[in-house]
This record gives sequence, structure tokens and C-alpha cells, in this order.
Amino acid sequence: HVQLVESGGGLVKPGGSLRLSCAASGFTFSDYYMTWIRQAPGKGLEWVSYVSSSGTIIYYGDSVKGRFTISRDNAKNSLYLQMNSLRAEDTAVYYCARDGCSGGSCYWFDRWGQGTLVTVSS
Amino acid sequence: DIVMTQSPDSLAVSLGERATINCRSSQSVLYSPSNKNFLAWYQQKPGQPPSLLIYWASTRESGVPDRFSGSGSGTDFTLTINTLQAEDVAVYYCQQYSETPITFGQGTRLEIK
Repeated sequence: HVQLVESGGGLVKPGGSLRLSCAASGFTFSDYYMTWIRQAPGKGLEWVSYVSSSGTIIYYGDSVKGRFTISRDNAKNSLYLQMNSLRAEDTAVYYCARDGCSGGSCYWFDRWGQGTLVTVSS
Repeated sequence: DIVMTQSPDSLAVSLGERATINCRSSQSVLYSPSNKNFLAWYQQKPGQPPSLLIYWASTRESGVPDRFSGSGSGTDFTLTINTLQAEDVAVYYCQQYSETPITFGQGTRLEIK
């Protein structure tokens, strides 16, 4: 049974930092690309970043480039998102999601966590 | 960036009827060598994360009921839900994965009439 469980969200002041984690279970984590996608309250989906199965290929959306860092620890079956210089517009539920293909990259997402809420406010 | 535009923003359909949601990309998401369209559809029910319905524009994800179907090519795509059921109330998103940044449509809210 595939599970993705995000944690680390909370209230942070503008300019602050947070580190999100995503604990994966029920599948061979090291075989899959992983991604972070966010959803502002009442809004649509915005892709944030993805990382290859080995961690060597990484991409970011323009709105977070230079501020957010994605990483993974395959030994711990965990995905991370370090978020620095946070802004009010980063307020959203952050989902981790699994790429739809094992051993490669498809860039559609077949399993999602329940999400963790990040609120950036003074 | 490829802009994904869905229509309508919302629609209300009677139980048992057909719902049709459209998605248009600002540039083609068809990869000619493989003749595959890099387009996926998701369903998001209230209070839940999105769930994958369709990828490659028309391939249904395992476990998705066959009343859900996807069609289209190039820049114009359609998600069709036949015989609408109450549990289909949700917001539906299209997503292109032809290039980064990966982008989503703004969503279409489906309700029961």
C-alpha cells in the first residue's frame, strides 16, 4: 500500500524558512522520480519542483527558483523541500507526489500525499 | 511556459448524463516521434489531494472507472464523464508534461444539477 506522508508545515513569518518532509512507504522509493506540487487556498495546482530517482536531476518552477531546494534520502525513503525567503504568496498546501513510472520519468503523478499547509504571515 | 486553459470553469450536469470538460494548451504537447500527447487529467474531490485519472491524453489509470475517457491531440483535449454519478462531484485539472515547467489548467468544477 503506497503511502506518502508530508510533515513540517506551519506558520512562518515573511522571510523565514521551513523544511518540509515526505515519508514514503509501500514502494521502492529509490526507483521513482518525486515532485512537490502546491495549492494556494481555494486555488489551482502549481508544480514546484521535482527530483530524479538518484537525486542528480532537479528542476524548479520559476516562482521558487533560488529560494527552495528539493532533496531526497533514498536510505530513509524521504523527500524534502527546504524553503527559504518565504513570501505571503508561498502560502499553500504542499503535496508530495510520485512520478507515474518506475525506473524512469513520466511526469504525471500517480500517488499523492494528503499535503501539509504552509502559511506565511506576519 | 505552456499555458493550459480549461473550459468551462464550472458546469452542472444531471445524474446519469454526460459531462464534457475541455483543455487547450498554448502550444502542441504532441511528441511526433512517438505520436504521444503529454497530457494528463486529475480529479480532486473536496478536502482530498488530486487523483490521477488519465495520462497520455487517453490512457486510463488503473482502477479508474471506464465512464471516464480522454481524447484529443496537439493542443485540444477533452475529458468525458459518461453516466455521471454523485461521487464524480469534484474539480478536474488537466496537466501538460511536454516540457518544464509542468503546468496545470485552472480547474473545472463539476456539480450535480
